[in-house]
Amino acid sequence: DTEVTQTPKHLVMGMTNKKSLKCEQHMGHRAMYWYKQKAKKPPELMFVYSYEKLSINESVPSRFSPECPNSSLLNLHLHALQPEDSALYLCASSPSSANYNEQFFGPGTRLTVL
Amino acid sequence: AQRVTQPEKLLSVFKGAPVELKCNYSYSGSPELFWYVQYSRQRLQLLLRHISRESIKGFTADLNKGETSFHLKKPFAQEEDSAMYYCAPTLYSGAGSYQLTFGKGTKLSVIP
Repeated sequence: DTEVTQTPKHLVMGMTNKKSLKCEQHMGHRAMYWYKQKAKKPPELMFVYSYEKLSINESVPSRFSPECPNSSLLNLHLHALQPEDSALYLCASSPSSANYNEQFFGPGTRLTVL
Repeated sequence: AQRVTQPEKLLSVFKGAPVELKCNYSYSGSPELFWYVQYSRQRLQLLLRHISRESIKGFTADLNKGETSFHLKKPFAQEEDSAMYYCAPTLYSGAGSYQLTFGKGTKLSVIP
């Protein structure tokens, strides 16, 4: 399996809801990433996990909480989001977090916060 | 300040014409440089990277350290090349991790 999968594809939630985004890869990659992409903008890095440990947090608000339960799985827990958090959330993985590695992207979860 | 610049938001060319998508960077040290592409309704994917020095789908990119540029070129554009192209250097973020930093992107439209 050479793909990164993300579920759900679409998510609509209210500002008081708690939801989670899921990302999975079975390529043996040890680095996984969350990005946020607003319409017609480039992806912006949110979090990096390297060997299941959080190595980069790009000053993301605490209403976003990442979790890496094992080397294949990456979650993003959402709580008390704001309408401006509506965006496409992309997950990516790479063999390691070294600078020469290609990142493999998932199709994204389209999140709408009402 | 470290940054990557793609000066053209939109580039339209006719089929068969040469294409050049510009990318300039301003970073200390020598970052690794990538071009990523996003075709309509497809996921973001790697097009090519400087370290590999390979040609993918007819595209090449030469790193010019003097001009700090990494322009993407193709001699003859095809309709299927229409997509959003991102120039993306990697930055060292500490703790052994590097982060990919995307330029704002250039939307290439190839006119039949």
